[in-house]
Amino acid sequence: DTAVSQTPKYLVTQMGNDKSIKCEQNLGHDTMYWYKQDSKKFLKIMFSYNNKELIINETVPNRFSPKSPDKAHLNLHINSLELGDSAVYFCASSHSTNPEQFFGPGTRLTVL
Amino acid sequence: GNSVTQMEGPVTLSEEAFLTINCTYTATGYPSLFWYVQYPGEGLQLLLKATKADDKGSNKGFEATYRKETTSFHLEKGSVQVSDSAVYFCALSPYNAGNMLTFGGGTRLMVKP
Repeated sequence: DTAVSQTPKYLVTQMGNDKSIKCEQNLGHDTMYWYKQDSKKFLKIMFSYNNKELIINETVPNRFSPKSPDKAHLNLHINSLELGDSAVYFCASSHSTNPEQFFGPGTRLTVL
Repeated sequence: GNSVTQMEGPVTLSEEAFLTINCTYTATGYPSLFWYVQYPGEGLQLLLKATKADDKGSNKGFEATYRKETTSFHLEKGSVQVSDSAVYFCALSPYNAGNMLTFGGGTRLMVKP
């Protein structure tokens, strides 16, 4: 009965490739998020998305794009991967009326 | 803009010692405040929260009080255990802006037997 799940857990790929990370939540939440955690454990919001609005952190390169097939899923697509994209990416979800967020287990992306 | 500052780690304590991890924030309006914990190799788990001034969040022996006058939300525990070893993140969620969390830099706690 996992609340927020992500796949894959680990992703190793070459520079220049395009990859996707999937996220699913079964909590009935209407808002989902992507965060990036760098090697120093610093966490930064990348996107916030619900069925009405996408909010993008202005520092996120446009090579990153969230795709939501339905309210329970928010996938992260990354084009032309760069070395600096190596990090752990966390998906999270919440209800729009409650600021408490639930996090997935993370996807460790390594770009070679 | 919004920001969260927490003390740099690592913090190393002996078992049963008293823990304080400082957290201060900058935000407009009345944000909600959180402490999240990340155990090795795992995702973030909500530890406690407070949504308005003077609220005290508590869980698993940890406490933090929302102090608007000092813009602080310090985490405390009276007696730490080895199993508390983890990275602790202070975070805020603004009143609006899609509930996006702004995190502090994280503080690693190491508890020795």
